[in-house]
Amino acid sequence: AQRVTQPEKLLSVFKGAPVELKCNYSYSGSPELFWYVQYSRQRLQLLLRHISRESIKGFTADLNKGETSFHLKKPFAQEEDSAMYYCALRRGGNYQLIWGAGTKLIIKP
Amino acid sequence: DVKVTQSSRYLVKRTGEKVFLECVQDMDHENMFWYRQDPGLGLRLIYFSYDVKMKEKGDIPEGYSVSREKKERFSLILESASTNQTSMYLCASRPPAGELAFFGQGTRLTVV
Repeated sequence: AQRVTQPEKLLSVFKGAPVELKCNYSYSGSPELFWYVQYSRQRLQLLLRHISRESIKGFTADLNKGETSFHLKKPFAQEEDSAMYYCALRRGGNYQLIWGAGTKLIIKP
Repeated sequence: DVKVTQSSRYLVKRTGEKVFLECVQDMDHENMFWYRQDPGLGLRLIYFSYDVKMKEKGDIPEGYSVSREKKERFSLILESASTNQTSMYLCASRPPAGELAFFGQGTRLTVV
């Protein structure tokens, strides 16, 4: 079955500490994975995609096919990183997405 | 600045009412989507449309219908609203084969 799992509903870390939001997937084909972020009272927005291998706002995510994971990481958390984060997997040829349940990240001052 | 605009930010409707949620995009995108967003469940696809007058069921279409009479507008219809349809509804659009990167601001619907 195609599935995206974000095991943590809530993650709370102190400012300046490293952050890792976990995402595991189940997919039989070649996966395309994304991270989306929704700040308080703002629209959902695309944060980064694995094929770009980019760093956005200090966040990176590496696709690990062996562990079927796509964890989102940032070495030093900032208060403005507090938001809801969703991992998503593109499925099949119709480009639809399978979404994780989301992780609420709270950065404590 | 490209935009996906949902007609209402908040709506309160009574059980049994017919509810229309409107979404307009100004990017000439072929593909438009309606999701509902619930805590602990993430985003679930209700319906999508890849062209005018074309529609496809998503993962949870029951109790909903859609209309796409013009390319820029995609409407979600709750034929007879029920309390379990209380949720945040998100509209999105994307170009063919592109990433899903354009979302509306959301409509928080409460059915009482």
